[in-house]
Amino acid sequence: DADVTQTPRNRITKTGKRIMLECSQTKGHDRMYWYRQDPGLGLRLIYYSFDVKDINKGEISDGYSVSRQAQAKFSLSLESAIPNQTALYFCATSDRFSTDTQYFGPGTRLTVL
Amino acid sequence: GENVEQHPSTLSVQEGDSAVIKCTYSDSASNYFPWYKQELGKRPQLIIDIRSNVGEKKDQRIAVTLNKTAKHFSLHITETQPEDSAVYFCAASFYGNNRLAFGKGNQVVVIP
Repeated sequence: DADVTQTPRNRITKTGKRIMLECSQTKGHDRMYWYRQDPGLGLRLIYYSFDVKDINKGEISDGYSVSRQAQAKFSLSLESAIPNQTALYFCATSDRFSTDTQYFGPGTRLTVL
Repeated sequence: GENVEQHPSTLSVQEGDSAVIKCTYSDSASNYFPWYKQELGKRPQLIIDIRSNVGEKKDQRIAVTLNKTAKHFSLHITETQPEDSAVYFCAASFYGNNRLAFGKGNQVVVIP
């Protein structure tokens, strides 16, 4: 089945380290998103991309950067991780030519010590 | 940007009873409203969605109603079962459906 995958699934790192979270999809969708989930705060958008040459900031982009290496790959980087970036990170995809439905990956649990 | 409020934050129901979660949104241009279910340790999964040209949509035990005038929409779960226990998120589209704004989630607990 076509799916959205994320690597790693769990990561523990230290303050100041550079971290990259990766997202791949086999759904053939053009749009990809990165969200952060914190308890009681729901899902907040970090960055989104509508195609390889299109990158847009979401509501909480400070401290993060992204790269859309191909239509199927969208990575999220934390240049210098800090403890308040400890959260569950989700990648999602959607297809502008079909519906507005977003499909989520399994998530990456990141802990910054 | 869009603001989505979700109430109540926690809901406990007896098995077999109905559960209702209500969301309000701020952008009158929003026209797509999905509901996601997230089980513990899992990814959010779409369970039902509705567009602004429809007032109600039903899929087996779940239904969604939309009141565009009041800018609110609700998820209805009938004959609740233990497997309905999860966190439910509502969302509303904005920026021409390019983005979704999510509510903060509602923890539903079905008591056997």
